[in-house]
Amino acid sequence: DIQMTQSPSSLSASVGDRVTITCRASQSILKYLNWYQQKPGKAPELLIHTTSNLQSGVPSRFSGSGSGTDFTLTISSLQREDFATYYCQQTYSVPPYTFGQGSKLEIK
Amino acid sequence: QITLKESGPTLVKPTQTLTLTCTFSGFSLSTSGVGVAWIRQPPGKALEWLALFYWDGTERYIPSLKSRLTITKDTSKNQVVLTMTNVDPVDTATYYCARRLTTSGDGSSWFFDSWGQGTLVTVSS
Repeated sequence: DIQMTQSPSSLSASVGDRVTITCRASQSILKYLNWYQQKPGKAPELLIHTTSNLQSGVPSRFSGSGSGTDFTLTISSLQREDFATYYCQQTYSVPPYTFGQGSKLEIK
Repeated sequence: QITLKESGPTLVKPTQTLTLTCTFSGFSLSTSGVGVAWIRQPPGKALEWLALFYWDGTERYIPSLKSRLTITKDTSKNQVVLTMTNVDPVDTATYYCARRLTTSGDGSSWFFDSWGQGTLVTVSS
């Protein structure tokens, strides 16, 4: 199975900060990496698919990059509504289509 | 408008069989590239993909639970059903269904673009 490791697992930041979350795969997944945002008590929502493609309706302050085993999610200027938990997920080849352990973004 | 909604028991006893239903609307599971998946999340923990039913009838399962899972489709009712046998307290989780969508012609690039609200299932005697 491909393991997905996110860092940090939690972080504190302020409104207006630039934040980067990293996701590392245990083997190459080419570009097949998605990012989801989950707020407490809610279902996850798709932010970015295939490394860098912004889902319709997602603000442009979110961006994604990477390839192979190392990927990043960047929020250029944090807004209050961005405080949530973020998950990466690989969709390369065969199952299981694993998620990372999550990165919880909290208000400083 | 695309909607998915999970339904099923909130409490199940250990060793019993859990049956969850995902009722969806706004899309067809017969459309090429489309699928419906089940994903779960134990309280306070991460997401775990469980199973996926594809438009062409293909089924895929998480290997570690494959012997206990079955995913089926009821086309007439726009429903996808997940059955999990021999449940244990560690199966306590919120269970989500989600639509699988692809934007690439070969289907290699895909994602879960719409999710249900989730249903909490507790396994306890």
